[in-house]
Amino acid sequence: GENVEQHPSTLSVQEGDSAVIKCTYSDSASNYFPWYKQELGKRPQLIIDIRSNVGEKKDQRIAVTLNKTAKHFSLHITETQPEDSAVYFCAASIVLGGSQGNLIFGKGTKLSVKP
Amino acid sequence: DAGVIQSPRHEVTEMGQEVTLRCKPISGHDYLFWYRQTMMRGLELLIYFNNNVPIDDSGMPEDRFSAKMPNASFSTLKIQPSEPRDSAVYFCASSPSGQLYEQYFGPGTRLTVT
Repeated sequence: GENVEQHPSTLSVQEGDSAVIKCTYSDSASNYFPWYKQELGKRPQLIIDIRSNVGEKKDQRIAVTLNKTAKHFSLHITETQPEDSAVYFCAASIVLGGSQGNLIFGKGTKLSVKP
Repeated sequence: DAGVIQSPRHEVTEMGQEVTLRCKPISGHDYLFWYRQTMMRGLELLIYFNNNVPIDDSGMPEDRFSAKMPNASFSTLKIQPSEPRDSAVYFCASSPSGQLYEQYFGPGTRLTVT
């Protein structure tokens, strides 16, 4: 089955710096890669996702890149702010048309942004 | 919409007792997922349903765990008998069919088994 590895487990940056979180996956059939943000004591929420037919996607200060050949994808946060502090989870899944499969999550990265 | 609703929000029980967690998905969502979150194991998918039918329960730890979805607006996750190692936050999430695959998580149930 699919296995998702996520690094680093913790990341501390100064406000305004960039943060990069990397994930690798094992199943070459996976074609959907979302990122979820979980603030302390809250529920996970989708912040961005990418499908295997594109290599990069941006949404304001966040971007995700995907390298299908190497089976890895990354989350980039620019101009970090204290409110970006949270645990970030990557995930991988196989989707087909309107059908969804198992969403396999990485172990998470705790990002701390210091003012 | 109120979002995904879970009850109870907190549950403290003694080892050996039966525990029932409840979930009401967002109206119109065809998929429902049950997850367990612990520090050691992270976020694990236990089981998911599509149109009230269980599709994959390979993540259910053992026979002590069971899940049902009797209709489109209600699902339960039952643990019988409960054990201390079942202590975790249990999330329910729902998702619509179609080309958008976002899962909307409920607030979670924090279960403590003593």
